[in-house]
Amino acid sequence: DSGVTQTPKHLITATGQRVTLRCSPRSGDLSVYWYQQSLDQGLQFLIHYYNGEERAKGNILERFSAQQFPDLHSELNLSSLELGDSALYFCASSVRTGFNSPLHFGNGTRLTVT
Amino acid sequence: TQLLEQSPQFLSIQEGENLTVYCNSSSVFSSLQWYRQEPGEGPVLLVTVVTGGEVKKLKRLTFQFGDARKDSSLHITAAQPGDTGLYLCAGQISSGSARQLTFGSGTQLTVLP
Repeated sequence: DSGVTQTPKHLITATGQRVTLRCSPRSGDLSVYWYQQSLDQGLQFLIHYYNGEERAKGNILERFSAQQFPDLHSELNLSSLELGDSALYFCASSVRTGFNSPLHFGNGTRLTVT
Repeated sequence: TQLLEQSPQFLSIQEGENLTVYCNSSSVFSSLQWYRQEPGEGPVLLVTVVTGGEVKKLKRLTFQFGDARKDSSLHITAAQPGDTGLYLCAGQISSGSARQLTFGSGTQLTVLP
């Protein structure tokens, strides 16, 4: 158990809809990262927050947004969903942002857009 | 285009065999990590290598970082069915004060009893 909690575990929704994925980092971890994993693209970095502030953006679509709250949990909002958004979405947390601070991944949310 | 290319993509071997998985890039990374991911779970960090030429051992697993810090390899000796999983390498790209890991496409290893 990594200590990172992601909810829900599975999500099935229709095209055009909006969903919110939630992540609770390990106790004491200030950094939260979001990744998307699909069969054809592998694990893609979406966005990184540190102590409530956005630190880096990766391949995140404009239809997607995220935030980290004062209690350090984070939410990833996906809107105007398309079939291609179907994927596993992982949250990871770490104490700091340097490479000496390993990432701890949650078990992901499997999103299916029909 | 994948910044990190892993090979082979799939590998199926018998218990007791040795194997090597490769992670290659044209970019220089400040550090490189190896993760293992099992079905229904997130990736779990195995090792971080930082210095060019560095070799790290974790029981039957040996990790090497290339001298130029562009490539890495993972060697497993006497593979066990418990080694089955998706092996991912990830390189760190420095971006100001933030860290961004770029993951390879992975090697799916199956060890048959």
